[in-house]
Amino acid sequence: ILNVEQSPQSLHVQEGDSTNFTCSFPSSNFYALHWYRWETAKSPEALFVMTLNGDEKKKGRISATLNTKEGYSYLYIKGSQPEDSATYLCAFWDNYGQNFVFGPGTRLSVLP
Amino acid sequence: EADIYQTPRYLVIGTGKKITLECSQTMGHDKMYWYQQDPGMELHLIHYSYGVNSTEKGDLSSESTVSRIRTEHFPLTLESARPSHTSQYLCASSEWGQPQHFGDGTRLSIL
Repeated sequence: ILNVEQSPQSLHVQEGDSTNFTCSFPSSNFYALHWYRWETAKSPEALFVMTLNGDEKKKGRISATLNTKEGYSYLYIKGSQPEDSATYLCAFWDNYGQNFVFGPGTRLSVLP
Repeated sequence: EADIYQTPRYLVIGTGKKITLECSQTMGHDKMYWYQQDPGMELHLIHYSYGVNSTEKGDLSSESTVSRIRTEHFPLTLESARPSHTSQYLCASSEWGQPQHFGDGTRLSIL
């Protein structure tokens, strides 16, 4: 059974603060790590696809890093805005893309 | 742009009825998935398919069933709905190891 954890479970920050959270996954049989943003009343949307150890991806104020050897990925948000409020999910794929599991998510609230 | 459609968006129905939730995608993806999500809770995988005539149960036990007769179509059926089936159901599709594209979901309420 694949075990993927995300921390913290929830987070409240003030507008303008920078923040980061973690996705932990098994360090063996790594294939890919996906980050999603899931806004209330919408469906999850993919943010990043990360496949190589040391990968760094960026989209606007959001960036992510990947360490497959130790089994973690960080998601960073610089200068948080209220529209960043959402649940951020990671999904770990192993075994050449055969198996996957979503983490439980980090719920971010950005207060104006 | 992802093209995956779920119908209905909302359904309120009485106990004991047979329900089919529709999910269709136009991207030719082999993999399709059904998730159940209660308000404020995690996504739980209840069914998935790797292609036509392939269906598997997910991590969360569900009384629903699925079929995959065509690549683009992955309907979910509840033979006899109960209040415990009240939830949101999300359908998704993807290529192997690629990010999943989600539909808008069906909010199901069983009275």
